Amino acid sequence: AQSVTQLGSHVSVSEGALVLLRCNYSSSVPPYLFWYVQYPNQGLQLLLKYTTGATLVKGINGFEAEFKKSETSFHLTKPSAHMSDAAEYFCAVTSDTGGFKTIFGAGTRLFVKA
Amino acid sequence: GEEVAQTPKHLVRGEGQKAKLYCAPIKGHSYVFWYQQVLKNEFKFLISFQNENVFDETGMPKERFSAKCLPNSPCSLEIQATKLEDSAVYFCASSQMDGGNSPLHFGNGTRLTVT
Repeated sequence: AQSVTQLGSHVSVSEGALVLLRCNYSSSVPPYLFWYVQYPNQGLQLLLKYTTGATLVKGINGFEAEFKKSETSFHLTKPSAHMSDAAEYFCAVTSDTGGFKTIFGAGTRLFVKA
Repeated sequence: GEEVAQTPKHLVRGEGQKAKLYCAPIKGHSYVFWYQQVLKNEFKFLISFQNENVFDETGMPKERFSAKCLPNSPCSLEIQATKLEDSAVYFCASSQMDGGNSPLHFGNGTRLTVT
């Protein structure tokens, strides 16, 4: 069975500061990992995804994430936060088995202070 | 189209009434997924389709929930005899799904309020 744990339901940073959103996963088969962002009254938008190959994945809006198999982690980072980054962020896992079902974490709300 | 289109945006039903939600997936995407989001987090998987066939329905409360994806029609999610606990935002997503590495493309959701 697959699962995703996001540490911290709320994260607050100052504008220009480093953003770090934590995600740990559990999967019995090689996972595909995703980060999505949700703005108010909208659905999820894909930020980035890890499939195979390079463990450091770059996404949109300056975000990136590093896949660490030994730590079963896929933390999301951005060097310098912008006010427009304030949103809800979801880590997700899927695989080629289990009906391609995507399992989402509970989400982390990012607040950016001026 | 290039976006997943969900209608209506908002739906209000009295407890016990029927609710029907619609989703038009992105053209060319063969997989459709329905998720329920409660309390602005926790995306709960309900059901998925591969074209018009149910692919995975392990998340569906089968007593009152049903869903269809018929050719040349929007997909639909129907709730018979709604309960207060059904109040949530229901998201539809579509995907090419040529493997588990295909991302989901989400609509903007239908907010269902049961009073």
